[in-house]
Amino acid sequence: LAKTTQPISMDSYEGQEVNITCSHNNIATNDYITWYQQFPSQGPRFIIQGYKTKVTNEVASLFIPADRKSSTLSLPRVSLSDTAVYYCLVGGRNTGGFKTIFGAGTRLFVKA
Amino acid sequence: NAGVTQTPKFRILKIGQSMTLQCTQDMNHNYMYWYRQDPGMGLKLIYYSVGAGITDKGEVPNGYNVSRSTTEDFPLRLELAAPSQTSVYFCASSYSKSQGGVASPLHFGNGTRLTVT
Repeated sequence: LAKTTQPISMDSYEGQEVNITCSHNNIATNDYITWYQQFPSQGPRFIIQGYKTKVTNEVASLFIPADRKSSTLSLPRVSLSDTAVYYCLVGGRNTGGFKTIFGAGTRLFVKA
Repeated sequence: NAGVTQTPKFRILKIGQSMTLQCTQDMNHNYMYWYRQDPGMGLKLIYYSVGAGITDKGEVPNGYNVSRSTTEDFPLRLELAAPSQTSVYFCASSYSKSQGGVASPLHFGNGTRLTVT
C-alpha cells in the first residue's frame, strides 16, 4: 500500500490560493490519487481524484507530475469555510476503499 | 437520497458493556466500511464488506464484530467496551468498480461519538 506524506498544518488568509502537496514515492502503476476534506464533527467528503497531469472541478484542481511521486491540491481563493483537514490517499482503481489508508492529513486554517 | 446514515450520534458506555453502532446506506453500494478516528489522527479501518454475507478485517479489528445481512446495512458490534475504544466511528460505502473511468470514492456518514468510562 502506498504511503503518503503531507504537511501537518497550513495557515492561509481569505482570498488566497492554497496549495497542499502530498508525497507518495511508492505509488503503483494502477493507483489513483484521491483527496478528501473533513470538517469538524463530520465524515470526510470526496473533493477530487486524478491519475496524471491535471484535473479540475468546481471545487479544486489537482496537479500530478509525470513521475506521479507527488501531487498538489490547489484551492483557489479560499474562504473561512475552507478551514478543514485535507487527506491525500492513493489506491487502486478497482480495489475499493479497503486498500486506501488515511494518514493524519493537513489541517488548513483560513484566517480573515 | 439520504446517503450514509449512522445512529446513534453520541453514546456513553461503561467498561464491559456492549452496543451496536448502526449504519445504513441507500445508494446501492456494494462496499461498506467502518473506520475509527481518534483525536487529531487519521481514520483507521476496522472492518469492511464487499457485499452481503462477506466481511473482512481491516487494520484494527480487535474488540469489534460486524455482519452484513443486506446490501444496505452494516452494523458494528462492541461486545466488551474498553476505554481504548473511546473514539469517533465512521461508516462509509462505495461502489466496487470504477465509475466512468474514475476510481469509486468513499461516501461517509457523520459519525458516532463513543465514550467508554
